[in-house]
Amino acid sequence: GAGVSQSPSNKVTEKGKDVELRCDPISGHTALYWYRQSLGQGLEFLIYFQGNSAPDKSGLPSDRFSAERTGGSVSTLTIQRTQQEDSAVYLCASSLDFSGNTEAFFGQGTRLTVV
Amino acid sequence: DAKTTQPNSMESNEEEPVHLPCNHSTISGTDYIHWYRQLPSQGPEYVIHGLTSNVNNRMASLAIAEDRKSSTLILHRATLRDAAVYYCILRPRFSGNTPLVFGKGTRLSVIA
Repeated sequence: GAGVSQSPSNKVTEKGKDVELRCDPISGHTALYWYRQSLGQGLEFLIYFQGNSAPDKSGLPSDRFSAERTGGSVSTLTIQRTQQEDSAVYLCASSLDFSGNTEAFFGQGTRLTVV
Repeated sequence: DAKTTQPNSMESNEEEPVHLPCNHSTISGTDYIHWYRQLPSQGPEYVIHGLTSNVNNRMASLAIAEDRKSSTLILHRATLRDAAVYYCILRPRFSGNTPLVFGKGTRLSVIA
């Protein structure tokens, strides 16, 4: 596709429900990143993928959060048993690789509201 | 990881040049200097990056100090649309899977 695509753009869910957020990176990009941004706050790094592998999951806020990437392309971020503090914009980015000479492209994000 | 230091906020008048500073005194010889910005209610967008030489593109210019311990993002003529948070980030040339991590950035306000 032309850019990084995230879906849904908005999601309202009830506390305790599970949600899945999807990221379609730019074709051919091996690096993929997930971030969270709470209202008025900075970008909180969550997890990154090289291909289908996530070498470091320590940025995930709790064990209710998980992420996977299949076929070196689409990634899903899953939040189980959502809590109100999970309400935020979840952003995905991709880059050609991890070289310092490449830029990252961001999606428009998924705004998650837990009620 | 090499760190960057930026002012929390800056203000500029519309149609005037803006110089956004970034200090990175622990930069290594193979770190690229990247700038991103985040407009209100949008995801971040890439602005520019460089290694040693000054760089120009349609959005901005990047001036890198000779010792590479600091750099300046230059917006030649600020518009209201340039009001955003600007992030200065170091990226290793051979990153070894280093994630892209954002600091607090500089919030630029543009006054009409």
